[in-house]
Amino acid sequence: QVQLVQSAAEVKKPGASVRVSCKASGYTFTNFAFTWVRQAPGQGLEWVGWTRPDTGYTLIPQKFQDRVTLTTDTSTNTAYMELRSLTSNDTAVYYCARGASGPRFKVCLYWGQGTQVTVSS
Amino acid sequence: DVHMTQSPSTLSASVGDRVTITCRASHNINRWLAWYQQRPGEVPKLLISQASTLESGVSSRFSGSGSGTEFSLTISSLQPDDFATYYCKQYNDAFATFGGGTKLDIK
Repeated sequence: QVQLVQSAAEVKKPGASVRVSCKASGYTFTNFAFTWVRQAPGQGLEWVGWTRPDTGYTLIPQKFQDRVTLTTDTSTNTAYMELRSLTSNDTAVYYCARGASGPRFKVCLYWGQGTQVTVSS
Repeated sequence: DVHMTQSPSTLSASVGDRVTITCRASHNINRWLAWYQQRPGEVPKLLISQASTLESGVSSRFSGSGSGTEFSLTISSLQPDDFATYYCKQYNDAFATFGGGTKLDIK
């Protein structure tokens, strides 16, 4: 069965960077895209970016373009999200999600368990 | 970017009620719209994609409709498990965007 297992919670100081990992299993890693979503405390869902493991192609909205890097490692079936220059506004749960097939490649069908990132001095 | 506006932001209803949540896009997104459910403390769950295609295993009490800029999610005969927050998300644009969410709680 499809599983996405994310890395453990992180506590970072303002200005630091964080890298969240998402290890996939149960399917062919390069066949489906990954979406990254975050959720600040008590807030809604926010789309952080999208990446294709087969080509490395990424889409990152302007809000995050200078601070987010999305990568994938096909040797370990792991997707990564790096967020730099952290501020308290980046405190959130970060989710990875896998797409579906065909025209639904950008929906979030399978989700990781979430990684809490806390930014505090 | 395409902006998604959900309404209402909160909705109170009773078990057995029929409820409808709407989502409006700032630009034409054809039918590239998904609905997600998030129960408190849980990971979001995909309910519907392509505006009206129910995901496997999702109750037929859920239905989606709409195209272009106006969409809706209807839940017929609410069950206790349905009280959650619902989000629409457009994926027509290169950069997907979520609506602000609708919290459905028990009246």
